[in-house]
Amino acid sequence: GQNIDQPTEMTATEGAIVQINCTYQTSGFNGLFWYQQHAGEAPTFLSYNVLDGLEEKGRFSSFLSRSKGYSYLLLKELQMKDSASYLCAALRSYGKLTFGQGTILTVHP
Amino acid sequence: DTEVTQTPKHLVMGMTNKKSLKCEQHMGHRAMYWYKQKAKKPPELMFVYSYEKLSINESVPSRFSPECPNSSLLNLHLHALQPEDSALYLCASSQDNRGGNEQFFGPGTRLTVL
Repeated sequence: GQNIDQPTEMTATEGAIVQINCTYQTSGFNGLFWYQQHAGEAPTFLSYNVLDGLEEKGRFSSFLSRSKGYSYLLLKELQMKDSASYLCAALRSYGKLTFGQGTILTVHP
Repeated sequence: DTEVTQTPKHLVMGMTNKKSLKCEQHMGHRAMYWYKQKAKKPPELMFVYSYEKLSINESVPSRFSPECPNSSLLNLHLHALQPEDSALYLCASSQDNRGGNEQFFGPGTRLTVL
């Protein structure tokens, strides 16, 4: 079966750094996506990791360890607009994306 | 054009109605997807189309019937739905479904079944 775990909620302060962890157990693993979803809106792509290591893209970085079934999303210099749900999603064969429950991040001033 | 559009934005229907949701993309993507998202839950995959052919049906009840008339359009026909089918229906597309291609999501259709 598929199992993807991430924390339900996190809070952080504007300007700080936050790390959102994701662990997964899935068959036919082809990579790990992170999406951001604001309330009432569609998910938007943040990052994709297929090889072990860190991918950096501006204020956002994502890490993957395939041997450990572990990924994290790192958000730096937090802004109020970063308050959203962050979805970890494992890619399986034929484009099948299985999402975790999402982590609701609240950024305080 | 890097957009996936969906119509209508909102839909209210009775359990005996027949309605259709529409999705369109002009990015030349050859894979298109339907997801269902309930409140405070993640999107759940329903169907995958690859090169206009149904590739995956995630055991979706037959009251949901997908159709891909051409490479830019994806429809979801609804018939005899139940109140528990009320949800946000998201369409997505990607270059193809063979690798780690980003899936672009549309804004969704918020469906209410009375």
